[in-house]
Amino acid sequence: NAGVTQTPKFQVLKTGQSMTLQCAQDMNHEYMSWYRQDPGMGLRLIHYSVGAGITDQGEVPNGYNVSRSTTEDFPLRLLSAAPSQTSVYFCASSTSGNPYEQYFGPGTRLTVT
Amino acid sequence: AQKVTQAQTEISVVEKEDVTLDCVYETRDTTYYLFWYKQPPSGELVFLIRRNSFDEQNEISGRYSWNFQKSTSSFNFTITASQVVDSAVYFCALRGQGGSEKLVFGKGMKLTVNP
Repeated sequence: NAGVTQTPKFQVLKTGQSMTLQCAQDMNHEYMSWYRQDPGMGLRLIHYSVGAGITDQGEVPNGYNVSRSTTEDFPLRLLSAAPSQTSVYFCASSTSGNPYEQYFGPGTRLTVT
Repeated sequence: AQKVTQAQTEISVVEKEDVTLDCVYETRDTTYYLFWYKQPPSGELVFLIRRNSFDEQNEISGRYSWNFQKSTSSFNFTITASQVVDSAVYFCALRGQGGSEKLVFGKGMKLTVNP
């Protein structure tokens, strides 16, 4: 049971480039989320999904797209990277009912130059 | 709107001191869940505890204890006899009712335990 996996661990992009951060979970969780962590800001929700085919915006969705074609995978796409998107990105998954514990992936550190 | 406030941004203590991390939350939901996570220097997020709004019992787990008080909307975390390995950033988080999986995090508190 690998839990929540994220790839890559580190990435450097130039402004304007696009890329996809991968997230997968093998716990058959309905709920998956993407957060970004910036110094002094805590974690902020970007997008989330309550099941395959269903996604919604979180607190800071601009510049990011998501889709959920399978229960296991929840990729995050940066369409045109900007320096403001330099951050650490965490993917999380959880069941839809109690105990509501979110399992986090190891994170992806993204730098946009 | 839901909000979590961790007023302390950084604390430094000497090993074996006790330290309390404060967390104050705001929500209009009657059912909600509170969490504490630890983020060590390696960067991963480690789940520490979950508490639902109907359970105000304090909890102790080894050197860790949590004090949940609905009257003051607080969910404070105490480390007794701190150790260097406790050095980390600690986050308090809130999940309200409503079916979505939104965790609202506080900004985190960096704890440094010096030998």
